[in-house]
Amino acid sequence: DAGITQSPRHKVTETGTPVTLRCHQTENHRYMYWYRQDPGHGLRLIHYSYGVKDTDKGEVSDGYSVSRSKTEDFLLTLESATSSQTSVYFCAIGAGSTSGANVLTFGAGSRLTVL
Amino acid sequence: AQSVSQHNHHVILSEAASLELGCNYSYGGTVNLFWYVQYPGQHLQLLLKYFSGDPLVKGIKGFEAEFIKSKFSFNLRKPSVQWSDTAEYFCAVNAGITGGGNKLTFGTGTQLKVEL
Repeated sequence: DAGITQSPRHKVTETGTPVTLRCHQTENHRYMYWYRQDPGHGLRLIHYSYGVKDTDKGEVSDGYSVSRSKTEDFLLTLESATSSQTSVYFCAIGAGSTSGANVLTFGAGSRLTVL
Repeated sequence: AQSVSQHNHHVILSEAASLELGCNYSYGGTVNLFWYVQYPGQHLQLLLKYFSGDPLVKGIKGFEAEFIKSKFSFNLRKPSVQWSDTAEYFCAVNAGITGGGNKLTFGTGTQLKVEL
């Protein structure tokens, strides 16, 4: 989508290997998010960031780590991929708001298959 | 913590039929509510949102939703669906900083199929 780029878009890997997904934005938004989408579960928040080097866990953070060294980049790392992490991963960005009136814009998604 | 329930997981309608998708949330404070749509093979797009004011909000493509605070509901409606409305629809809630930060919590989604 305009302003958000995810890479890679598709990846097949083997159990136990490390994987890093990248989200790049050109909107200069403060907030960045990683969600995973699975049938029957909708979208679940993995981690999010509210500024450079400021990150926090979401509801399904086990097995994932993130880093944000620049405003525009938010990396999601699977240290040792497992089959349960086979999913579609979406990055989202938002300007943020103290009232929660924060509209998220989503990237095109990264489909990860762990064999 | 905030949570969202979508009652209908799969809905099949004929073209021109009316649509109503249910969404209930659990959070006692002020909330911001959203409906997103995901067309086959695409990413999520914002359909409509409610922040404050008129509880009946209108979105793109003829969709509307009504916020009923007493029922903790934010149901999505469309008077007459089209084949092109076939998609998955997600309700989401954000309770803001006081509710745990700028995090959007999604329901499990409703898969809508519109038949010709």
